[in-house]
Amino acid sequence: EAQVTQNPRYLITVTGKKLTVTCSQNMNHEYMSWYRQDPGLGLRQIYYSMNVEVTDKGDVPEGYKVSRKEKRNFPLILESPSPNQTSLYFCASSLHGTGPTEAFFGQGTRLTVV
Amino acid sequence: DQQVKQNSPSLSVQEGRISILNCDYTNSMFDYFLWYKKYPAEGPTFLISISSIKDKNEDGRFTVFLNKSAKHLSLHIVPSQPGDSAVYFCAACIGYNFNKFYFGSGTKLNVKP
Repeated sequence: EAQVTQNPRYLITVTGKKLTVTCSQNMNHEYMSWYRQDPGLGLRQIYYSMNVEVTDKGDVPEGYKVSRKEKRNFPLILESPSPNQTSLYFCASSLHGTGPTEAFFGQGTRLTVV
Repeated sequence: DQQVKQNSPSLSVQEGRISILNCDYTNSMFDYFLWYKKYPAEGPTFLISISSIKDKNEDGRFTVFLNKSAKHLSLHIVPSQPGDSAVYFCAACIGYNFNKFYFGSGTKLNVKP
């Protein structure tokens, strides 16, 4: 079954404690991206990756890091989480060709930073 | 400042009637638009898209209309069904950099039986 898998689904952590949210896709997609969803703001893009070892900033990259060492995995790293990073996070992947295509999203990770 | 706006946070429609969800954008460079549907506790799923070279695209009960001069797009669902109850997001991107997507804040549709 084609899917994007995020882990964990729920996470409560304390300010400053480094954490990683994993994302894996089994569709051989070149393009992967991370979003956060906040009330009244919709989904905002954090980082995206066009292929292995190629990443770039989205709209709200501050406080986040990503890496793309393998095509299937795109982890989101919060080196020193703060309460304003409490949010619902989604990973997405899509084919990367001559034009935009629809993205497949993971089920989300609800992060609370206290 | 949000470049894609959905000004109606919620919409309630009777089953069988038409649902019209609206989306406005400010960046005239956007040339590809998508609609996603999201159920609670799930990730968004792709619904329908439209390129700026078209003004209408249909897929079954779903039709998206694009008015470039007004920088406005709408999603029509006919007939609406209770299973359509979800949050709908519109998204836009610029063709030369289709890696960056801009989403609206979403409209929660409730279709009453």
